[in-house]
Amino acid sequence: NAGVMQNPRHLVRRRGQEARLRCSPMKGHSHVYWYRQLPEEGLKFMVYLQKENIIDESGMPKERFSAEFPKEGPSILRIQQVVRGDSAAYFCASSPPAAGNTIYFGEGSWLTVV
Amino acid sequence: QKEVEQNSGPLSVPEGAIASLNCTYSDRGSQSFFWYRQYSGKSPELIMFIYSNGDKEDGRFTAQLNKASQYVSLLIRDSQPSDSATYLCAVVDNAGNMLTFGGGTRLMVKP
Repeated sequence: NAGVMQNPRHLVRRRGQEARLRCSPMKGHSHVYWYRQLPEEGLKFMVYLQKENIIDESGMPKERFSAEFPKEGPSILRIQQVVRGDSAAYFCASSPPAAGNTIYFGEGSWLTVV
Repeated sequence: QKEVEQNSGPLSVPEGAIASLNCTYSDRGSQSFFWYRQYSGKSPELIMFIYSNGDKEDGRFTAQLNKASQYVSLLIRDSQPSDSATYLCAVVDNAGNMLTFGGGTRLMVKP
């Protein structure tokens, strides 16, 4: 059973470009979470999605950031017009449908904006 | 604003000692509590979870939960240098939707 798969693992973007990060949850998991970790800081919740539905996006910046989890395919975290401050590790996690279940993390995608 | 607080450390213990990591949370309705370990440059790895008041043991790890005090801790017995990492406390809210993380405590186990 493959774990949570994220790609790309490392991404370099110039300021103003777009970054797209992909996440495929574990088999049987229908809940996806995105977290951001800035250097030397803790994990910050960004968004919680189920298939075709955003459940909680209270941690998403108001501009430039969007997330989706389509009926088919991986979840996508999209950052438009990236700035240096977007440089961080972006972790995706997934969990089974029942509330309160353990979530499991992917290996992360490290975004560097130059 | 739901908050999870941890001392950032570093917490330094000698090899073989007991390391005690603490965490407090603000949402009294929280139901599930997790400890993750994160090595530098790696993703968080689940160590333990606990739902009920009291202690839960798994090998060298013991999680302790006191809901009245809104306090959860992790004890690591016979600490090894390989235990050196950042330990993240995480809490699931009352609705069971979202995992909120503390800032993590950096543990250093010295040989």
